[in-house]
Amino acid sequence: EAQVTQNPRYLITVTGKKLTVTCSQNMNHEYMSWYRQDPGLGLRQIYYSMNVEVTDKGDVPEGYKVSRKEKRNFPLILESPSPNQTSLYFCASSPRPAFLNTEAFFGQGTRLTVV
Amino acid sequence: GENVEQHPSTLSVQEGDSAVIKCTYSDSASNYFPWYKQELGKRPQLIIDIRSNVGEKKDQRIAVTLNKTAKHFSLHITETQPEDSAVYFCAASFNKFYFGSGTKLNVKP
Repeated sequence: EAQVTQNPRYLITVTGKKLTVTCSQNMNHEYMSWYRQDPGLGLRQIYYSMNVEVTDKGDVPEGYKVSRKEKRNFPLILESPSPNQTSLYFCASSPRPAFLNTEAFFGQGTRLTVV
Repeated sequence: GENVEQHPSTLSVQEGDSAVIKCTYSDSASNYFPWYKQELGKRPQLIIDIRSNVGEKKDQRIAVTLNKTAKHFSLHITETQPEDSAVYFCAASFNKFYFGSGTKLNVKP
């Protein structure tokens, strides 16, 4: 089944404790992104990647890191999480860049709470 | 960068009525406008999209219209059903996707 898989689905952590949220897609998509979803703010892009070893900042990149060592994986790293990073996170992939009219396929989401 | 505004933030309709959600965008370079539906606790999923060279597109009970001159596009749902209850996001894209803030649609039986 074609899908985007995120882990974990739920995570509660303490301020300052490094964490990684994994994202994997099995559709051979070149483009992958991370979004955070907050009430009233919609989906805001954190980072995106156009291909292996090619990443760029989205609209809200502060406090996050990503890496793209393999085409299928795009982990999101929080080196020192803070309470304002409490949010619902989505990974997404697409076969082409956005301007080529392509659908974004979303993972199931990761609800992160930082206390 | 692009700025997408979406209204209303919440919408409550009676089953069988129509629902309309409106979005505006700022960047005239945006050329693709998808709509996503997110059911409670689930991932956003594409329900319909429209390209900049098309004014209207329909798929059964849902339709999307685009006015490039005014930079706005709308989602229309007719004969609403309780299973239409969800959060709907519009998006505009050129180099990447820019999402609206979402509309929570509640269809009352």
